[in-house]
Parts: sequence; C-alpha cells; structure tokens
Amino acid sequence: DSGVTQTPKHLITATGQRVTLRCSPRSGDLSVYWYQQSLDQGLQFLIQYYNGEERAKGNILERFSAQQFPDLHSELNLSSLELGDSALYFCASSVGGLAGVQETQYFGPGTRLLVL
Amino acid sequence: KNEVEQSPQNLTAQEGEFITINCSYSVGISALHWLQQHPGGGIVSLFMLSSGKKKHGRLIATINIQEKHSSLHITASHPRDSAVYICAGTSGTYKYIFGTGTRLKVLA
Repeated sequence: DSGVTQTPKHLITATGQRVTLRCSPRSGDLSVYWYQQSLDQGLQFLIQYYNGEERAKGNILERFSAQQFPDLHSELNLSSLELGDSALYFCASSVGGLAGVQETQYFGPGTRLLVL
Repeated sequence: KNEVEQSPQNLTAQEGEFITINCSYSVGISALHWLQQHPGGGIVSLFMLSSGKKKHGRLIATINIQEKHSSLHITASHPRDSAVYICAGTSGTYKYIFGTGTRLKVLA
C-alpha cells in the first residue's frame, strides 16, 4: 500500500459526460501528479500540482482540468468525454516538487474509466 | 521514434535466469526512473537514478549518461517478478517521458 488513495476505482460513463476523479496523497506529501495510461499510448504525464499551485503541465487536453485543494487532495475533471478517453488514470505523490530530479513518486491504485 | 525506447518489448524467462531490460533515451534528462506495473495495474517506483548504479535486493539499475542508456537487471528471477517494467526520463521542467514498457513473464 503506497498510502495514495484514489476514488472511484472504476467508472463507466457515456460520451459527452463529465466526471471527477479524486486523489489523496500520502500524508506529508505536497506534490500530486496525474497520469493517463491508455492501451495505444502507454503512460502519459498530464499535470503536476505542488502545494496548491500548478507546477508542470504535460499532455493534458483542454477538456481536462485539475486542481489541488488546501488539504492537498486533488481532483482531475474530465469533460465532454470521448471514447478515446477510456483509460487508467493514476495519481502519484511525492514529498516536494522535485520528483523528477530528487524524489521518488508513490502511485495510487488508479481509476479505470470506461466511456461508452 | 519515441524519445525513450525500451527493449525487448516482451520477455519470457525461466525461473532463476538473469534478466536485463534496456532503456535508451534521445533527450536530455535529469533522472531516469524504473517503474514496475503489476498485472493488477498497480505501479511501484523501483529506482530513480541520475548516475552510476543502484541495487535493491535482486534488482540492479545502471545508467550511462554519456551513452544515454540505462539497464535494469533482475538476478535469480522468480515468477513474482512477472510484470511490466517501464522506464521514464524526467527533465528539469518536471515532465516525464515514458518508455512503452517491457512485459516480463517468468515461468516456474
């Protein structure tokens, strides 16, 4: 158990809908990262938040948005869903904002999204 | 061509064999990560390295910055090592670039 929790575990929805994925980082971790893993594109970095502020942006679509709240949990909002958005969405956390250089990330169990 | 390439894509080994998974990258990176994804989907970070070599139990990771190459070695492989192994490079802008993964199956 990494200490990172994600809800829900599974989500089935229809095209055009909007969903919210939630992530609670490990106690004491200030950074949250979101990743998308689809069958055809593998793992992709979406976005990073550090202590409530956006720190880095990857291949995140404009239909997607995220935020980190004062209690450090984070939500990833996916809107106008398309079939191609079906994927596993992982969040990860690290102590500070330097995971790429100095810190290990701890991954949550993922949310499996299926868009029908 | 992907910026981070892994080989082989698939690997089947017999229990006890020494296994090597390779990762080559074509971009400048600050650190190289090795991740393990279990059949159930969970991801565990195995190593993060920016130079030299790291060892944890039966796992060894090396990196050669000049050659832009990293290897993950598994000694005395075991069926529980069966997983997808993913390398990822990170740059100073904190962006992660992932390899496509190596699917390892260790047979008893």
